[in-house]
Amino acid sequence: GENVEQHPSTLSVQEGDSAVIKCTYSDSASNYFPWYKQELGKGPQLIIDIRSNVGEKKDQRIAVTLNKTAKHFSLHITETQPEDSAVYFCAASRGYSTLTFGKGTMLLVSP
Amino acid sequence: GAGVSQTPSNKVTEKGKYVELRCDPISGHTALYWYRQSLGQGPEFLIYFQGTGAADDSGLPNDRFFAVRPEGSVSTLKIQRTERGDSAVYLCASSLTAARGLVSGANVLTFGAGSRLTVL
Repeated sequence: GENVEQHPSTLSVQEGDSAVIKCTYSDSASNYFPWYKQELGKGPQLIIDIRSNVGEKKDQRIAVTLNKTAKHFSLHITETQPEDSAVYFCAASRGYSTLTFGKGTMLLVSP
Repeated sequence: GAGVSQTPSNKVTEKGKYVELRCDPISGHTALYWYRQSLGQGPEFLIYFQGTGAADDSGLPNDRFFAVRPEGSVSTLKIQRTERGDSAVYLCASSLTAARGLVSGANVLTFGAGSRLTVL
């Protein structure tokens, strides 16, 4: 089955800095890669996703890049704000929605 | 409804007891998923329904776990003879559809806030 590795497990940045979270996957047939943000006591919320026919996608301060050859994808957050503090999860699937998640990255943005 | 609703939000039970967790998906969503999230981990897939039938139950850890969705809307996750290792947050999600091989906005998952189960 699919295996998703996520790094780093924790990330501390100053407000205004950029943050990068990286994931690798094992199943070359995976073609859907969402990123979820989870705040304390809440369920994961989709923030951006990318499909394997696209190399990069951007939505305001967040962007995701995908390298299918190397089987890795990354989340980039620019101009970080304290409200970006949360746990971020990457995930991968083969097009149907049985997602395999990484273990998460706790992002702390200090004012 | 506006979002995925899960009840109870918290459940404390004793080892060996039976537990039911309920999920009310977004209205009109035909696909429903159950995930389990242990402390410090990502969600792990348990089972998903397309309509009333379980399309994939490969993530259920053993036969103490069972889920139903009799009318294609509300789903109940049932855990028999609970063990301390069952303690986790049980997340439910729904999507408009879950057509295999199809990647579109229709199968984007929306999660509920979860039911936190503690087995003493």
